Amino acid sequence: GAGVSQSPRYKVAKRGQDVALRCDPISGHVSLFWYQQALGQGPEFLTYFQNEAQLDKSGLPSDRFFAERPEGSVSTLKIQRTQQEDSAVYLCASSLEQGGTMAYSPLHFGNGTRLTVT
Amino acid sequence: AQKVTQAQTEISVVEKEDVTLDCVYETRDTTYYLFWYKQPPSGELVFLIRRNSFDEQNEISGRYSWNFQKSTSSFNFTITASQVVDSAVYFCALKGPSSGTYKYIFGTGTRLKVLA
Repeated sequence: GAGVSQSPRYKVAKRGQDVALRCDPISGHVSLFWYQQALGQGPEFLTYFQNEAQLDKSGLPSDRFFAERPEGSVSTLKIQRTQQEDSAVYLCASSLEQGGTMAYSPLHFGNGTRLTVT
Repeated sequence: AQKVTQAQTEISVVEKEDVTLDCVYETRDTTYYLFWYKQPPSGELVFLIRRNSFDEQNEISGRYSWNFQKSTSSFNFTITASQVVDSAVYFCALKGPSSGTYKYIFGTGTRLKVLA
């Protein structure tokens, strides 16, 4: 596609519900990132995929958060038993280059999914 | 530690004024890259510029210019003759080996409001 697509744009969940957020990266992009952006803050790293391999999940806040990218394209971020502190915008980004210590490609972001947990 | 500080939380200017957004970073790396992104109300972060640590030349792109000074660990962004469409949140970001292999470190952003 022309850009990174995320769905849904908005999600309201009751505390304790499970949610699934989808990211469709730019076609052919090897790297896929998930970031969490709290209100008034900058994006915070959650996890990184290189193709279908999840190479870094150090930013996931708890074991309630799970991400996958089974075929190396579309990715899903799942949050189980949502809590109020999970309320944030979840941003997906992709880049053509594979990630790594010496990788500095600009990230292409989607519009994000705004999750509100009530 | 890798850190990006954007001390200006919010700036308001009148259209056609010039405005500078500050970015100060901390890193122990000798090779690193700095970025600026724009986040309009639609939510998508739009890439504006990337600069590597060995290139201290200032860059100009239309009404945008960037001043990178390693001596003060700053990478400031100036918009000349601001327009209402420039209203957005602007983020400075850093990536270097000490960020973690895959992490880009973002500042907290500066919200720019350009008033007609």
